[in-house]
Amino acid sequence: EVQMLESGGGLVQPGGSLRLSCAASGFTFSSSVMSWVRQAPGKGLEWVSVISSSSANTYYADSVKGRFTISRDNSQNTLFLQMNSLRAEDTALYHCAKIYNNHYWYFDLWGRGTLVTVSS
Amino acid sequence: DIVMTQSPDSLAVSLGERATINCKSSQSVLDTSYNKNYLAWYQQKPGQPPKLLISWASTRESGVPDRFSGSGSGTDFTLTISSLQAEDVAVYYCQHYNSPPPITFGQGTRLEIK
Repeated sequence: EVQMLESGGGLVQPGGSLRLSCAASGFTFSSSVMSWVRQAPGKGLEWVSVISSSSANTYYADSVKGRFTISRDNSQNTLFLQMNSLRAEDTALYHCAKIYNNHYWYFDLWGRGTLVTVSS
Repeated sequence: DIVMTQSPDSLAVSLGERATINCKSSQSVLDTSYNKNYLAWYQQKPGQPPKLLISWASTRESGVPDRFSGSGSGTDFTLTISSLQAEDVAVYYCQHYNSPPPITFGQGTRLEIK
């Protein structure tokens, strides 16, 4: 079965850090471009970051650049998002998502998400 | 950056009737070399992650009912549900994938039953 399962969300104070994980199965993770997309409560979809299959290339939304780091472990079929200097506006459900391929960046598989709440 | 704007923000349609959602991009997402529009549509049902419905503006994903269709080119696109079913209640998003990053989505259109 093709699936992605996120974990690592929780409640964190402003300025704190959190590391999200996404365990993938049922497809060739090591050759897949992967991404994080977030959704603030009751709001729309916001792209966060993308990483190439080999980790050679990473891209970030301006809203998280310099604070978030995307990475992956192809031996463990796992995607990560290290989030530092968290702000209230980072509160959201964070989905990992598989990108169709390196040339066409639409999302053909989504995880259910892990909730991050930034609050004092 | 390309801005995607959907209309309307919400829509109520009777069962069996047609539902139409529009998406406009601030720049053309048409690749004239291949005559392909870099535009996708997603459906997000309550409590679920988004699901890819349509890519290339009009290509339905496997398993998507044929009552869903996408049309348009350049900067103006439409998602049509020809005969609304109860299970189609969801929020629908468009997304461009022309020369990312960044990847941008429309703000979403909430579809309900009248």
